[in-house]
Amino acid sequence: AQSVTQPDIHITVSEGASLELRCNYSYGATPYLFWYVQSPGQGLQLLLKYFSGDTLVQGIKGFEAEFKRSQSSFNLRKPSVHWSDAAEYFCAVAGGLTGGGNKLTFGTGTQLKVEL
Amino acid sequence: EAQVTQNPRYLITVTGKKLTVTCSQNMNHEYMSWYRQDPGLGLRQIYYSMNVEVTDKGDVPEGYKVSRKEKRNFPLILESPSPNQTSLYFCASSLLYGNQPQHFGDGTRLSIL
Repeated sequence: AQSVTQPDIHITVSEGASLELRCNYSYGATPYLFWYVQSPGQGLQLLLKYFSGDTLVQGIKGFEAEFKRSQSSFNLRKPSVHWSDAAEYFCAVAGGLTGGGNKLTFGTGTQLKVEL
Repeated sequence: EAQVTQNPRYLITVTGKKLTVTCSQNMNHEYMSWYRQDPGLGLRQIYYSMNVEVTDKGDVPEGYKVSRKEKRNFPLILESPSPNQTSLYFCASSLLYGNQPQHFGDGTRLSIL
């Protein structure tokens, strides 16, 4: 069964500093990977996705993520964090193209706090 | 505007009183799904639907029912709610194939007393 691990429950960074949020996945085939962000009281917004091809993917709000098959990782990065980036971030993997293949399996989330 | 709409956004109710959370999408998506979010557990899938009249269980279906009579609507039914169903619920939708990203509603916070 597929699974996602986000080892950091909370991360605090200073505004303007760089950010890396870790994500490790377990999936038998080629994974479809996503990062979502959840602001307080809001639903989940898609930041970026990886299906195939270039292993470095660009997303919205200046985020990027790198897929590393050898490490089963899909870490999210941002060169310079803004106070408005404070939110909870979820990594997710989707499986296959049939049946329940659209199901997203989520990590437990990383809460990002930004210090001014 | 493309959106997934859930109602109500907040509900406090008592054990055993049947309730329905509605979900509607305007993107003509085939795939719809319900998730619950609990602290430290992330989001877990309750039920999903691949099209009208096609539904199936997710990872945590106990105590829930769904129906898909129209493509745009996918209500979540709690026939006899219990306190362990106190949670934040999200409805999501997407195109069926190609693992297109799912669009999420803003969530429904349920408190079962």
